[in-house]
Amino acid sequence: DAGITQSPRHKVTETGTPVTLRCHQTENHRYMYWYRQDPGHGLRLIHYSYGVKDTDKGEVSDGYSVSRSKTEDFLLTLESATSSQTSVYFCAISARTGLSNTGELFFGEGSRLTVL
Amino acid sequence: QKEVEQDPGPLSVPEGAIVSLNCTYSNSAFQYFMWYRQYSRKGPELLMYTYSSGNKEDGRFTAQVDKSSKYISLFIRDSQPSDSATYLCAMSPGSGKLTFGQGTILTVHP
Repeated sequence: DAGITQSPRHKVTETGTPVTLRCHQTENHRYMYWYRQDPGHGLRLIHYSYGVKDTDKGEVSDGYSVSRSKTEDFLLTLESATSSQTSVYFCAISARTGLSNTGELFFGEGSRLTVL
Repeated sequence: QKEVEQDPGPLSVPEGAIVSLNCTYSNSAFQYFMWYRQYSRKGPELLMYTYSSGNKEDGRFTAQVDKSSKYISLFIRDSQPSDSATYLCAMSPGSGKLTFGQGTILTVHP
């Protein structure tokens, strides 16, 4: 299994509070991703990173920010959590880079977030 | 309209059946096509990967891509109860940013 650890695995929080999810990898891969998974929508890309301090927005980035200060860690922050952000969040890493980044991803186990 | 459409099912088949899972897409830039399998409360895992049009076989699994029709398929032969999972199609133009289908829930009953 790819060395990806997500924390926390489960979290319940209240509307308006900030939340940070952490993704840690031991593979030294350059590309890291955050997806959310919701019924009827499949997996949707929130943000991704292609190197330390290099990040970009995905399809559903509003209300989320990310940071990557080390190769192994990619943090997802919900600045002020809303009920619409109740979801399962998956981190993923890619062994491929640049134009050969074909999308073969390795996923973590997921972080289940409930916003009341 | 979504870029990738996948019938969410659920699909229930008897053990030993041939299963056909399908996705259609609208973005002509997609070059790389994948199928991921996701067991309950787990992360998706890559099952099959295909570049451009054609077929690819791996054991009981066959992936087909028809770019002219913008249609991809996954066939599972001699299905087993252990194949029960959600199957997600995914596509990429090569940037590493995947677009996923909704996922099809498959149950194979003994």
